[in-house]
Amino acid sequence: AQSVTQLDSQVPVFEEAPVELRCNYSSSVSVYLFWYVQYPNQGLQLLLKYLSGSTLVKGINGFEAEFNKSQTSFHLRKPSVHISDTAEYFCAVAQGAAGNKLTFGGGTRVLVKP
Amino acid sequence: DSGVTQTPKHLITATGQRVTLRCSPRSGDLSVYWYQQSLDQGLQFLIQYYNGEERAKGNILERFSAQQFPDLHSELNLSSLELGDSALYFCASSGPRGEQYFGPGTRLTVT
Repeated sequence: AQSVTQLDSQVPVFEEAPVELRCNYSSSVSVYLFWYVQYPNQGLQLLLKYLSGSTLVKGINGFEAEFNKSQTSFHLRKPSVHISDTAEYFCAVAQGAAGNKLTFGGGTRVLVKP
Repeated sequence: DSGVTQTPKHLITATGQRVTLRCSPRSGDLSVYWYQQSLDQGLQFLIQYYNGEERAKGNILERFSAQQFPDLHSELNLSSLELGDSALYFCASSGPRGEQYFGPGTRLTVT
């Protein structure tokens, strides 16, 4: 069975500082990886995805992530955060095919301080 | 706006009752997924339909059922509701490469 671990439940960060959110997964077959953001009282918005090709993936709002197969990781980064990036971030994995069910990590709450 | 719509936005009901949540996928998407988000269990996959047929099932309780209609909208039926069923229920539909786009969710409160 696949599982997804987000190592930090909360990450406080100052405005304009960089942030990295860690995600590790376990799976015995091919995986497709996603990061979603959930703003307060809203649904999940797709930030970026890794389906194939380059292991460095760029998404919306200045976020990027790197797929590392040997370390089974898919960490999310942003070089300079804004107050508006305050939200909860979820890493998710689809196993076998990109359209299969998603298994989510527990989420990382990012609080950007002025 | 993902293009996935869900109604109602909020639902408050009593234990033992039955409710129906509705989802309309993005135009052209054939797959619909249902997820439950709760504080204690996080985001969990419930069930997937593809073009009217059940494709995959997750940790969906027997009291819950779903279907996808010929116009591709889907309904999630929750019956004999318990306090622990209070949660956010999300619907998603998948794009051409399989990535899922989520609706705004239905917040269910069981009192």
